Amino acid sequence: NAGVTQTPKFQVLKTGQSMTLQCAQDMNHEYMSWYRQDPGMGLRLIHYSVGAGITDQGEVPNGYNVSRSTTEDFPLRLLSAAPSQTSVYFCASSYVASGLYEQYFGPGTRLTVT
Amino acid sequence: AQTVTQSQPEMSVQEAETVTLSCTYDTSESDYYLFWYKQPPSRQMILVIRQEAYKQQNATENRFSVNFQKAAKSFSLKISDSQLGDAAMYFCACLTGTASKLTFGTGTRLQVTL
Repeated sequence: NAGVTQTPKFQVLKTGQSMTLQCAQDMNHEYMSWYRQDPGMGLRLIHYSVGAGITDQGEVPNGYNVSRSTTEDFPLRLLSAAPSQTSVYFCASSYVASGLYEQYFGPGTRLTVT
Repeated sequence: AQTVTQSQPEMSVQEAETVTLSCTYDTSESDYYLFWYKQPPSRQMILVIRQEAYKQQNATENRFSVNFQKAAKSFSLKISDSQLGDAAMYFCACLTGTASKLTFGTGTRLQVTL
């Protein structure tokens, strides 16, 4: 198993550009999430999904869109990038039925918006 | 809403010694899970230990153990026989509601010295 994969690892955008951060997992996990990590603030939840076709907002959803058309994939879209979206983005997935609730994290994407 | 507080931005420990990282949390939920994650310079989030709130027994994983004080809403991490490889950021996190909504503290940077 590859676990949780994220692409790209690094990205530089100009203000106003749009892009999609890709996230995929091969563990058949029903739950997937996106977090951003900023210095001194820990990780904050952006959006999450409890299964294909179902998404909901987290703590900091503004400026981001998500969709979940398959169990495996959970892309995060930045509609019009802003310097405030400069951050490290993590995707995570978890398998609730195991009762462990452990979240498996991808390696992260470092995004810089100039 | 739930909150997680880590009041120690940085800690230092000598190799082979013991160190305790503090964490307090606040949630109105009766059913929740607590985690400690390690983030080395590679940026990968690694689960160190988990605690189910309904269990009174403190979790232990090799050199890592927790002191879970439910009434005080405290969840500290003890690292015994510290090793150079333990140097990293450590995040405390609380999971409630759906399994995707994980709230993190701001982290404690642990330095291990010779």
